[in-house]
Amino acid sequence: NAGVTQTPKFQVLKTGQSMTLQCAQDMNHEYMSWYRQDPGMGLRLIHYSVGAGITDQGEVPNGYNVSRSTTEDFPLRLLSAAPSQTSVYFCASSYLVGGLAATNEQFFGPGTRLTVL
Amino acid sequence: DQQVKQNSPSLSVQEGRISILNCDYTNSMFDYFLWYKKYPAEGPTFLISISSIKDKNEDGRFTVFLNKSAKHLSLHIVPSQPGDSAVYFCAAVDDYKLSFGAGTTVTVRA
Repeated sequence: NAGVTQTPKFQVLKTGQSMTLQCAQDMNHEYMSWYRQDPGMGLRLIHYSVGAGITDQGEVPNGYNVSRSTTEDFPLRLLSAAPSQTSVYFCASSYLVGGLAATNEQFFGPGTRLTVL
Repeated sequence: DQQVKQNSPSLSVQEGRISILNCDYTNSMFDYFLWYKKYPAEGPTFLISISSIKDKNEDGRFTVFLNKSAKHLSLHIVPSQPGDSAVYFCAAVDDYKLSFGAGTTVTVRA
């Protein structure tokens, strides 16, 4: 079991560039989510998915798109990068039990450190 | 506005003593609470959780207390060990969304 994998580990972009952060899990988890971590802010939910074909917005969705075509993969797209999107991004996954996915132990990936110049 | 607050950015404790981490929340819809631990350059890992219908949950050296009327929870680590040095995040569940506090950095001194 590789768990939750994220690529790349580090990325530097210029303002206006686009890119996709990859996230994959091999635990057959229904629930997947993306967070960003900024100093003094903790982790903030960007988008989440309760299954293939179903996504929804979290606390800070602006500037980010997601899709979930398979159970395993949940990519995060930055369409036009801005310096405010400089952050560490974490992907997480978990099983769904009784509809309260987040109450299960969520497994986090190692993170992607993104810098936008 | 942050709905989950950890007002102590850091905590230093001697090895073998008790560590107490505090967390306050404002959203009365939160029905489940979790603590995560994070080492540098790694993703957070789940530590312990508590349902809103309970006031205490214990797992080995870790105990979480919940005071719903005060909208306050705390994590007790007894005894503290050097490997406990990490950042601890309090988190709360509302439907499918998890809200995190800003974290408390714990340093365990030998």
